[in-house]
Amino acid sequence: QVQLQESGPGLVKPSETLSLTCTVSGTSISGFYWTWIRQSPGKGLECIGYIYSTGKTYYNPSLKSRVTMSVDTSKSHFSLRLNSVTAADTAFYYCARGSFGAVTLFDYWGQGALVTVSS
Amino acid sequence: DIQLTQSPSSLSASVGDRVTITCRASQSISGYLNWYQQKPGKAPNLLIYAASNLQSGVPSRFSGSGSGTEFTLTISSLQPEDFATYYCQESYSFPWTFGQGTKVEIK
Repeated sequence: QVQLQESGPGLVKPSETLSLTCTVSGTSISGFYWTWIRQSPGKGLECIGYIYSTGKTYYNPSLKSRVTMSVDTSKSHFSLRLNSVTAADTAFYYCARGSFGAVTLFDYWGQGALVTVSS
Repeated sequence: DIQLTQSPSSLSASVGDRVTITCRASQSISGYLNWYQQKPGKAPNLLIYAASNLQSGVPSRFSGSGSGTEFTLTISSLQPEDFATYYCQESYSFPWTFGQGTKVEIK
């Protein structure tokens, strides 16, 4: 079955870079849009952006200046980097598979990774 | 960005009750509206896509309707495993915003 698993440090210092990787199994990386979504008590669920299997990226304008996403199809994983983090970036970070056909939906999600920004 | 407003923010209901949750969009989004269920400590799970289409594997007691700016999620007969938080999400325009959530609690 399709599984996604986030991995990365759970604690990041202010002004540093948050880095997460999502490992995908049970499905091809090709043909889907691989998405990062975060959830915090203050801002709820927020789409950070997504990357297609070709490497084409789309970032939320509110985060665009700080976000970089990449994909490694040979390793079936994709990654998120968010730089210059502050306490406001503390959240659960989810990776999800996006299907963008006639409609856009997120049908498989990772379990989520809590990232805390604190010194 | 499109704003989605869910009502109510929370509700208390009993097993067997019919439950309706509303999601209103700040502009017309045609039928580009999805619904997710989230249980504590878990990721959201897709229930309904494109306003009224039941995702594979989701029980038929869940249904969705609406278009334009007003949408509803209905649970026809609430079951114990349905106590959770429900989110709407528009897929009309990136960055695809979510509603603030509706928590369904046991009465």
